[in-house]
Amino acid sequence: GESVGLHLPTLSVQEGDNSIINCAYSNSASDYFIWYKQESGKGPQFIIDIRSNMDKRQGQRVTVLLNKTVKHLSLQIAATQPGDSAVYFCAETLNNDMRFGAGTRLTVKP
Amino acid sequence: NAGVMQNPRHLVRRRGQEARLRCSPMKGHSHVYWYRQLPEEGLKFMVYLQKENIIDESGMPKERFSAEFPKEGPSILRIQQVVRGDSAAYFCASSRQVSNQPQHFGDGTRLSIL
Repeated sequence: GESVGLHLPTLSVQEGDNSIINCAYSNSASDYFIWYKQESGKGPQFIIDIRSNMDKRQGQRVTVLLNKTVKHLSLQIAATQPGDSAVYFCAETLNNDMRFGAGTRLTVKP
Repeated sequence: NAGVMQNPRHLVRRRGQEARLRCSPMKGHSHVYWYRQLPEEGLKFMVYLQKENIIDESGMPKERFSAEFPKEGPSILRIQQVVRGDSAAYFCASSRQVSNQPQHFGDGTRLSIL
């Protein structure tokens, strides 16, 4: 289904702490999931992806967890830095048809 | 390897005029997607195209909006007789032909209607 426009939830963390951003997706048949980061005035930037046959994937300082039972996706950022401040979107995909979640604004306090 | 290129970055139109937004996908990408974003909101899917074909236009208004991705040249999102409510950021993304590949985004066109 379509993403619905909502006021962005926010998450504020201290520099150096770990961040966890959560996302509930809508279609239990979705088989591919992506996290994007969007900075002000720019387009979404790919961070990490995960296929539905996995439940965890790690990148550099980021980890994505997938729980298909409850249709939940999370993004963990280790040692959060000021440059991580942005809006983060999850996206679910089925057959190249991608739908975005509402997004979370992450603010990192120095 | 250039990324997805959108132009113009900013476009100002008066009510009733036409807006044309262009998108050149990444090299090797044959799938193009258009999204619309309002401030402080998520991206809303509009249309998905492959070369010379519209695959899914379920998110695009039936009137005034059209999209194309010709054999040669960029993809075009066209909005006729623009209204104030069309003001938004319009993002284009592209991906490879195989499934389960990430979409790569341009930096968008910000459309303002006076």
